[in-house]
Amino acid sequence: AAGVIQSPRHLIKEKRETATLKCYPIPRHDTVYWYQQGPGQDPQFLISFYEKMQSDKGSIPDRFSAQQFSDYHSELNMSSLELGDSALYFCASSLYKAFTYEQYFGPGTRLTVT
Amino acid sequence: AQSVTQLGSHVSVSEGALVLLRCNYSSSVPPYLFWYVQYPNQGLQLLLKYTSAATLVKGINGFEAEFKKSETSFHLTKPSAHMSDAAEYFCAVTLEYGNKLVFGAGTILRVKS
Repeated sequence: AAGVIQSPRHLIKEKRETATLKCYPIPRHDTVYWYQQGPGQDPQFLISFYEKMQSDKGSIPDRFSAQQFSDYHSELNMSSLELGDSALYFCASSLYKAFTYEQYFGPGTRLTVT
Repeated sequence: AQSVTQLGSHVSVSEGALVLLRCNYSSSVPPYLFWYVQYPNQGLQLLLKYTSAATLVKGINGFEAEFKKSETSFHLTKPSAHMSDAAEYFCAVTLEYGNKLVFGAGTILRVKS
């Protein structure tokens, strides 16, 4: 079965640079979520979108922005990168009509800021 | 607000032994609960879910969990551990569709031969 696709899988950036992470949800899924997982930590929720509208917001820095497009894919834009932004970034997706609430995770993008 | 507590950051069992990973939740409304497994440098894979139907939930790879409202618990069990079960396990809770999953700190399961 098709899964969540994230690109790129690995990204190396320097401080103060910008980065764009992309997420392609499971086909027909209409909701996407972004999480950040630091080394040895549990995933922390950043933001989610349902039908292109923001549905929930977590501890996402002001330097980050995200959106969901008409084809339901999502992009997380990160500016003025800091060393502390180095982490695994996961995208997850779900289907509202399924009424089951589980989220399916992608393989993640490993961002390293040097 | 909701929260999850996983007791034991590391659990070690022998191959063939019972696996028990503990999860307690705090929620002001009926929660939706999940267990995810994460292998090193990989994404999170859904093991099982509780969404207010049966309180005993069966998942993949022989795992199951029981929702106990009186104890606010959702412990994960497997009768017989296999070497391939070695991974990190996260308990998670959400209250509404489209909203965040709140994760516990995770439990690293080690399986000894």
